[in-house]
Amino acid sequence: EIVLTQSPGTLSLSPGERATLSCRASQSVNSNYLAWYQQKPGQAPRLLFSGASSRATGIPDRFSGSGSGTDFTLTISRLEPEDFAVYHCQQYGDSVITFGQGTRLEIK
Amino acid sequence: QVQLVESGGGVVQPGRSLRLSCAASGFTLSSFAVHWVRQAPGKGLEWLGVISFDGSKRYYADSVKGRFTISRDNSKNTVYLQMNSLRVEDTAVYYCARDPMTGGWYWYFDLWGRGTVATVSS
Repeated sequence: EIVLTQSPGTLSLSPGERATLSCRASQSVNSNYLAWYQQKPGQAPRLLFSGASSRATGIPDRFSGSGSGTDFTLTISRLEPEDFAVYHCQQYGDSVITFGQGTRLEIK
Repeated sequence: QVQLVESGGGVVQPGRSLRLSCAASGFTLSSFAVHWVRQAPGKGLEWLGVISFDGSKRYYADSVKGRFTISRDNSKNTVYLQMNSLRVEDTAVYYCARDPMTGGWYWYFDLWGRGTVATVSS
């Protein structure tokens, strides 16, 4: 099974700053089948990206997804107050679906 | 409003059973595969299994195979997760999530519910 390692575990930034979140896979993700989700307390997780870089419907363009192979990145260009949340990556290119452990993005 | 709503969580003793429901509103669930995902306290998300749009195919994670069963009633726009022989380590928030492909599956999730909590404790 593919192990996804997200870093950092917690990221402390201020509104207006740029956030860079990493998701590294233990082996290459087939066809870059990697998704990103945002999760806020008590809310349903929300799909941000599929296929590493295809933005889901309604996701603001300050969010971008990139990467291939084993290294993937979620970037938020200018943080808004509503962006502080937990972010999860998920690979679906293997026969066993796996998630990273999550990155908590908190207000500094 | 397009949404999924889970229900049926609660506190149960080890070895007992629990059935969770996932009800859809605002769209026709019968066109989509549905996955179940859980999150144990302090842990990441864990995929548990999936049922095809018509219920003809089901796949499970090794951690729950033989204990958990996914079923669906498309006339009620609802999917179920039957959990038997529960263990303390099954304590988690359980989410259902829709696969975005109609009539098939992409194996990622474009719509999630808010989750229901199952606690296994003596």
